[in-house]
Amino acid sequence: EAGVAQSPRYKIIEKRQSVAFWCNPISGHATLYWYQQILGQGPKLLIQFQNNGVVDDSQLPKDRFSAERLKGVDSTLKIQPAKLEDSAVYLCASSLDGRINYGYTFGSGTRLTVV
Amino acid sequence: ELKVEQNPLFLSMQEGKNYTIYCNYSTTSDRLYWYRQDPGKSLESLFVLLSNGAVKQEGRLMASLDTKARLSTLHITAAVHDLSATYFCAVDNFGNEKLTFGTGTRLTIIP
Repeated sequence: EAGVAQSPRYKIIEKRQSVAFWCNPISGHATLYWYQQILGQGPKLLIQFQNNGVVDDSQLPKDRFSAERLKGVDSTLKIQPAKLEDSAVYLCASSLDGRINYGYTFGSGTRLTVV
Repeated sequence: ELKVEQNPLFLSMQEGKNYTIYCNYSTTSDRLYWYRQDPGKSLESLFVLLSNGAVKQEGRLMASLDTKARLSTLHITAAVHDLSATYFCAVDNFGNEKLTFGTGTRLTIIP
């Protein structure tokens, strides 16, 4: 089966600019997650979707970050305006129905550098 | 708040040696996951441990879970260079179907 697709792979922007990342989960996977991984740290959950509804966005900095999942398939994560501390790898993951027994599949990530 | 700690953070070992990575977590959970991450790559699932006393092995890696001690171990037997990577443990956060990751252990195998 095809994996979780993410684009772009790399992005360099100046602070205060905006940026968007795209994720296409594995076909049929109802649950989608966005994680932020800062260099040298473990991934941190930003937002969890079940189909096209938000399950948990408690760790999402809502003053600058937004995410949507239209039609319960693809998802976009947006940052506006970006700060230096947003430099990180943004990982998208999906699972069949949110039950972790089935495990996650992670995408390759988007590496964001804010200068 | 669930906290997940790994040690050591960095590990440099010679080929052929054995070593163990430890993962401690702060609250009750009976589901723990181990992932591998190569530089510039995404996370690869290694093991899913779903109950107290669970032990799983794949090649030179063996993972175990003690839910009473809130401890998981990843044991490396007769290390080879291909095992060089960063290893993360992650714990299901109160059964909420989302993971809290440890800080990772960067493993370097020296020929």
